[in-house]
Amino acid sequence: GESVGLHLPTLSVQEGDNSIINCAYSNSASDYFIWYKQESGKGPQFIIDIRSNMDKRQGQRVTVLLNKTVKHLSLQIAATQPGDSAVYFCAESGGSNYKLTFGKGTLLTVNP
Amino acid sequence: NAGVTQTPKFQVLKTGQSMTLQCAQDMNHNSMYWYRQDPGMGLRLIYYSASEGTTDKGEVPNGYNVSRLNKREFSLRLESAAPSQTSVYFCASSGYRGYTEAFFGQGTRLTVV
Repeated sequence: GESVGLHLPTLSVQEGDNSIINCAYSNSASDYFIWYKQESGKGPQFIIDIRSNMDKRQGQRVTVLLNKTVKHLSLQIAATQPGDSAVYFCAESGGSNYKLTFGKGTLLTVNP
Repeated sequence: NAGVTQTPKFQVLKTGQSMTLQCAQDMNHNSMYWYRQDPGMGLRLIYYSASEGTTDKGEVPNGYNVSRLNKREFSLRLESAAPSQTSVYFCASSGYRGYTEAFFGQGTRLTVV
């Protein structure tokens, strides 16, 4: 079936470094992608989204890159802070299909 | 503005018991979703409702039923709970046709013994 997956289950970085979290998707009909952050004991929180007509979108300290050719999505976090430690999920939705499908997640640990 | 509210926050059931998880959103969203999250796993879609009056199966619908009571409320029912349904359940809602971010509730931690 269609799926969204992540290349790395865990990522450990030093405070101040830049972090890159990757995601692969297999549904070629997907045209909307979202990154979520989930802290322990909480529901996922929206970070940034991107439509398939874009390759890049920037937010505050975060950038999402979309490569439709290889069905790859990445989240870049600049100057990573301890408060960024969490599990990060990519999610995708496509066309007339309103389903929002999540990948397995990457645990980001920021070391002070 | 409370966003997405789920009740209860915690629940312990015995195998075979039934219960309904409640979800309400006050953002006038059309689409609502129920997910389950198991330890170390992502969120798996159980059921979703693209708009009031419609519901559709997600990835893992077996053992669950849903009701979109009105635009605000979307409930998830376990008719005969099984230990395999021990999980954290999240309700979410989103606006236009799934092309806007989904907002999540705080989750219901369900244990079936």
